[in-house]
Amino acid sequence: GESVGLHLPTLSVQEGDNSIINCAYSNSASDYFIWYKQESGKGPQFIIDIRSNMDKRQGQRVTVLLNKTVKHLSLQIAATQPGDSAVYFCAESHTGGFKTIFGAGTRLFVKA
Amino acid sequence: NAGVTQTPKFQVLKTGQSMTLQCAQDMNHNSMYWYRQDPGMGLRLIYYSASEGTTDKGEVPNGYNVSRLNKREFSLRLESAAPSQTSVYFCATQTDPTNEKLFFGSGTQLSVL
Repeated sequence: GESVGLHLPTLSVQEGDNSIINCAYSNSASDYFIWYKQESGKGPQFIIDIRSNMDKRQGQRVTVLLNKTVKHLSLQIAATQPGDSAVYFCAESHTGGFKTIFGAGTRLFVKA
Repeated sequence: NAGVTQTPKFQVLKTGQSMTLQCAQDMNHNSMYWYRQDPGMGLRLIYYSASEGTTDKGEVPNGYNVSRLNKREFSLRLESAAPSQTSVYFCATQTDPTNEKLFFGSGTQLSVL
């Protein structure tokens, strides 16, 4: 899993398996959540987002789940591919706020 | 359409030197941000500009200054570099400051010796 300010967790999965990356967010007032992917030497890139009025949102091969009761966010990647190897960050913000708070990130390794 | 362009990509400074990191966007976004990324710390907000003509401090503003030159450009200045400012710096833009995703540049890797 992933928490703000701690060491970078690592997840290693076999190509073709599903990946689940977890995130515990900190601010109960946050109502917008985003997952970013960062490949080596590049800036973070938007993957998927979800607002607090939803519990689940699906994209292409990715699904984000939000549990506001326990302040938990997860990113599921279906049929993980070598190109999915990267660091994944969860981020939170709240309506009217300019400050997006990022988690420390989780490094995903995909084994061929 | 280049998106968010940062210059330089790499820079080495000696303690006490000054430099300016440049950021330019062609996305017509109102809001621009400067983040720093340190190992195991995620990204931390240094300064932001909600719109042209405004700038505000983020989480870690000490040792930095910014200028929103126009809608396209947002620069970050280190007046007297310190080793603690060794980091990777990212500029980001946002269509609207209320709950929208960020678009990032490719970063500037800065080492202060």
